[in-house]
Amino acid sequence: QKEVEQNSGPLSVPEGAIASLNCTYSDRGSQSFFWYRQYSGKSPELIMSIYSNGDKEDGRFTAQLNKASQYVSLLIRDSQPSDSATYLCAVNSRDDKIIFGKGTRLHILP
Amino acid sequence: DAGVIQSPRHEVTEMGQEVTLRCKPISGHDYLFWYRQTMMRGLELLIYFNNNVPIDDSGMPEDRFSAKMPNASFSTLKIQPSEPRDSAVYFCASSFSDHLGGNQYFGPGTRLLVL
Repeated sequence: QKEVEQNSGPLSVPEGAIASLNCTYSDRGSQSFFWYRQYSGKSPELIMSIYSNGDKEDGRFTAQLNKASQYVSLLIRDSQPSDSATYLCAVNSRDDKIIFGKGTRLHILP
Repeated sequence: DAGVIQSPRHEVTEMGQEVTLRCKPISGHDYLFWYRQTMMRGLELLIYFNNNVPIDDSGMPEDRFSAKMPNASFSTLKIQPSEPRDSAVYFCASSFSDHLGGNQYFGPGTRLLVL
């Protein structure tokens, strides 16, 4: 079983709509969860982190965590063409390393 | 702040040659990470250092790969001999203290092509 799983996409969302990105993880002991954004040809950059169950909002971004279901999601409200990128889910493992998913490609349609 | 600096940005070499990738972390950061990214395998952690000491190198694919951090401002990743399957983008990242916080700052990457 892969440690961090994401749908590779591409996920196409109309401009102005809500983009929903999902991630599941296998280690029940994981405590820290992150979303990184990576533009084509660029390096990943951290956009959200979440540590407890529930929602965490930052501007147009909302991270949601459900530890019982081992599920973390990222919602992007009022999607903009500049949000088109690959979004990487990352989770800390039991040996204190950050494990990245392969990412979901998001395409915002103008 | 200049951010994490990596060199070279692009490297094309022939199979069997030695390749050395370089990284300068953000000043004051005490963790340094080396990652490899491919379409097939995604972003993989190769090795990470804390205060210049290698902590976990379990991600290093084989003995052909080695990494050093002689001081707080410089690290190298060496591949000797290189093989075509080593072709990938290699990222260096650094963070301050609480690396589990995930706030790792990535360099621009080195795009390696081994022919």
